[in-house]
Amino acid sequence: KQEVTQIPAALSVPEGENLVLNCSFTDSAIYNLQWFRQDPGKGLTSLLLIQSSQREQTSGRLNASLDKSSGRSTLYIAASQPGDSATYLCAVREGTAGNKLTFGGGTRVLVKP
Amino acid sequence: EAGVVQSPRYKIIEKKQPVAFWCNPISGHNTLYWYRQNLGQGPELLIRYENEEAVDDSQLPKDRFSAERLKGVDSTLKIQPAELGDSAVYLCASSSRTKRSEQFFGPGTRLTVL
Repeated sequence: KQEVTQIPAALSVPEGENLVLNCSFTDSAIYNLQWFRQDPGKGLTSLLLIQSSQREQTSGRLNASLDKSSGRSTLYIAASQPGDSATYLCAVREGTAGNKLTFGGGTRVLVKP
Repeated sequence: EAGVVQSPRYKIIEKKQPVAFWCNPISGHNTLYWYRQNLGQGPELLIRYENEEAVDDSQLPKDRFSAERLKGVDSTLKIQPAELGDSAVYLCASSSRTKRSEQFFGPGTRLTVL
């Protein structure tokens, strides 16, 4: 059974610092990995999707890497802003289980002005 | 384009009462998902529909939970009777046949069972 872990559970940084969020998964047979952002009382917003054949994806200040063999992904957010404060979730889509997403517990980020 | 719509946004009930949540997916999306998210945890899949057919309901507690998607569009998730441990956010998501790998999530329904 796939298990996804995100450490740390919470992170607080001053504005301008780079953020590094970690995600690990136990079964490397994944179809892709997705990073989401969740604001309080809101649904999930997709940030980046990395296919299993890719090593990284970039969008603006966000960069996500994937090392499938070691079961790890890292989300980098450059020059953090208070508006980046949210919970960040990673999820893996299993290659043989249809469209099922298995989520980590999330990292709650606070960027202090 | 309208996103996934869910109602109600919040619901407070006493234990043993029934409750229902409604979801309207993005127009044209044939796949619909119901997730449960406990406080401080990631969402867990309860059930997935392909059109009107429930193709993955292995995580749905069938003794008290039921779901339907009669016309392959809107869906309803019901709990009867609710227990204290059912307090959570219930998220609905949808995806299209042509882009199955991307799910779009609604804002969720926050259920509190007293």
